[in-house]
Amino acid sequence: EAGVAQSPRYKIIEKRQSVAFWCNPISGHATLYWYQQILGQGPKLLIQFQNNGVVDDSQLPKDRFSAERLKGVDSTLKIQPAKLEDSAVYLCASSHYRAGNTIYFGEGSWLTVV
Amino acid sequence: DAKTTQPNSMESNEEEPVHLPCNHSTISGTDYIHWYRQLPSQGPEYVIHGLTSNVNNRMASLAIAEDRKSSTLILHRATLRDAAVYYCILRTTSGTYKYIFGTGTRLKVLA
Repeated sequence: EAGVAQSPRYKIIEKRQSVAFWCNPISGHATLYWYQQILGQGPKLLIQFQNNGVVDDSQLPKDRFSAERLKGVDSTLKIQPAKLEDSAVYLCASSHYRAGNTIYFGEGSWLTVV
Repeated sequence: DAKTTQPNSMESNEEEPVHLPCNHSTISGTDYIHWYRQLPSQGPEYVIHGLTSNVNNRMASLAIAEDRKSSTLILHRATLRDAAVYYCILRTTSGTYKYIFGTGTRLKVLA
């Protein structure tokens, strides 16, 4: 079974530029999560989708971050404009109730804002 | 959201058992206790989870206190490949199945 796929793996941008990250969850997983992990900290939940609807985006900085999940499968996380403090790893994860709601993570997209 | 408290770091010798503690005094009756670990430069991976009873799988054992306010992840024989950050997470069951990560315990395994 293929795991959670993310791209790009690494990205370096200047502040005020924009960036987008893509995630393809495990096939059939209805729930998709985006986490932000700053160096030395645990992952912080940014947004959680159930199929293509948002169930929690309370920690998403909506003035600069946006996310969508079209057709309940792939998802895109966008940052515009980026700030220096957005430098982090962006982790996508997915889960399904039939798998006990265990979440499976991708390898992450590493963002450096200079 | 219910929180967990873990030591920042621990050390263990290779081939010896490791007991990683977690306090979760505000746990509610329906919260599951999950453990994940994160190897360097990788996303977190599932280790084990439980509700009330002790659990065993091929990776580890989970011992849950009778009052559920604490739990311990047990690695029976630590290897160098077990060096990682271990996260204890309370998974809520109130609709959205949220996983809230703390700062975790960095385990160092000495050869």
